[in-house]
Amino acid sequence: AQTVTQSQPEMSVQEAETVTLSCTYDTSESDYYLFWYKQPPSRQMILVIRQEAYKQQNATENRFSVNFQKAAKSFSLKISDSQLGDAAMYFCAYRSLEYGNKLVFGAGTILRVKS
Amino acid sequence: ETGVTQSPTHLIKTRGQQVTLRCSSQSGHNTVSWYQQALGQGPQFIFQYYREEENGRGNFPPRFSGLQFPNYSSELNVNALELDDSALYLCASSLSGAGLYGYTFGSGTRLTVV
Repeated sequence: AQTVTQSQPEMSVQEAETVTLSCTYDTSESDYYLFWYKQPPSRQMILVIRQEAYKQQNATENRFSVNFQKAAKSFSLKISDSQLGDAAMYFCAYRSLEYGNKLVFGAGTILRVKS
Repeated sequence: ETGVTQSPTHLIKTRGQQVTLRCSSQSGHNTVSWYQQALGQGPQFIFQYYREEENGRGNFPPRFSGLQFPNYSSELNVNALELDDSALYLCASSLSGAGLYGYTFGSGTRLTVV
């Protein structure tokens, strides 16, 4: 079974600075999808960024980028120029291509942004 | 384009009761998944419905059941509620075969069992 581990329960960053959130996963599959979701106090999961495992190039979405290390099974999220609106719970998630559409989530990292 | 709508937003039930949670999927999406998110934890997959049939289930007992309707909306039913069922229940819709894309989540239903 696939598992996702987020080892940082909580992180803090100064506004305008850069922060990196860690995620590792365990799988025996060679192809899969990885996601980072943001969950603000409104509770709705918002997709931040996504990565296809067969693509070696790291995904980038504006201030958000990932460092995908397939061999190490690592998928970290870098947030540049942090803004107050980035404060939220961040979840790393794995989706198998072989075992249906379900997402396997990590336990989450609370990101606090200081002004 | 409407997003995913869940109702009710909050609910308080007594242990042993039954509850029904509802989800309207995003326009154009034909697959609905349900997740349970306990306080301070990541969401856990309950099950998924495609074309009105359950086509994937997580490690949840049979008292968790669901339905999907022809308009792709969905219900999650939980019988014989237990205190541990207290959680945020999230619905996510997607387009089957969309692969990397297309998961849209609702804002969830907060269920409290007392």
